[in-house]
Amino acid sequence: KQEVTQIPAALSVPEGENLVLNCSFTDSAIYNLQWFRQDPGKGLTSLLLIQSSQREQTSGRLNASLDKSSGRSTLYIAASQPGDSATYLCTYKLSFGAGTTVTVRA
Amino acid sequence: NAGVTQTPKFRILKIGQSMTLQCTQDMNHNYMYWYRQDPGMGLKLIYYSVGAGITDKGEVPNGYNVSRSTTEDFPLRLELAAPSQTSVYFCASSYSGLAGGNTGELFFGEGSRLTVL
Repeated sequence: KQEVTQIPAALSVPEGENLVLNCSFTDSAIYNLQWFRQDPGKGLTSLLLIQSSQREQTSGRLNASLDKSSGRSTLYIAASQPGDSATYLCTYKLSFGAGTTVTVRA
Repeated sequence: NAGVTQTPKFRILKIGQSMTLQCTQDMNHNYMYWYRQDPGMGLKLIYYSVGAGITDKGEVPNGYNVSRSTTEDFPLRLELAAPSQTSVYFCASSYSGLAGGNTGELFFGEGSRLTVL
């Protein structure tokens, strides 16, 4: 069974600080990894998909890296804003982590 | 473009009742999935399908049944509802799946919130 772990479980930062969210998985095979955002009581919004052949993917202030050798992905959010407050989930091989809940303080 | 559509959005069931959660996608995706999400937890895979007529169990299939008669539709049936099935259910689809060596990008519906009392 694939295990996906997200650390930390929760994070609170002042506005403008950079965010670093971690996702680790138990095998270093050849699958894609996808990051999602979930607002309270809402569905999942796809942020980034990193193909197994890629090392990173960027979209605006978001950058996600994939290190297959260590079984880890990191999501960087630059210059955080209060609107970035949400739970961030990663999925690998159809398994999900429990998420990191981010609060950005104005 | 509707993407993945789930109905109903909310439902309250009594213990022992049965119901079907509907899911349909208009992206011509072969792969479809049902997940449940309990408070503060990640999503757990209930069932998945790799194409019409083919379904398989995920991590938490007990108490649920699925069918896939068309590419577009993947209903999830709850038989004899129990309080432990109170959860938010998400349907998803993708163009490719694990059997292809790489999970394609997952597209999710907005979820169905089910309460069993």
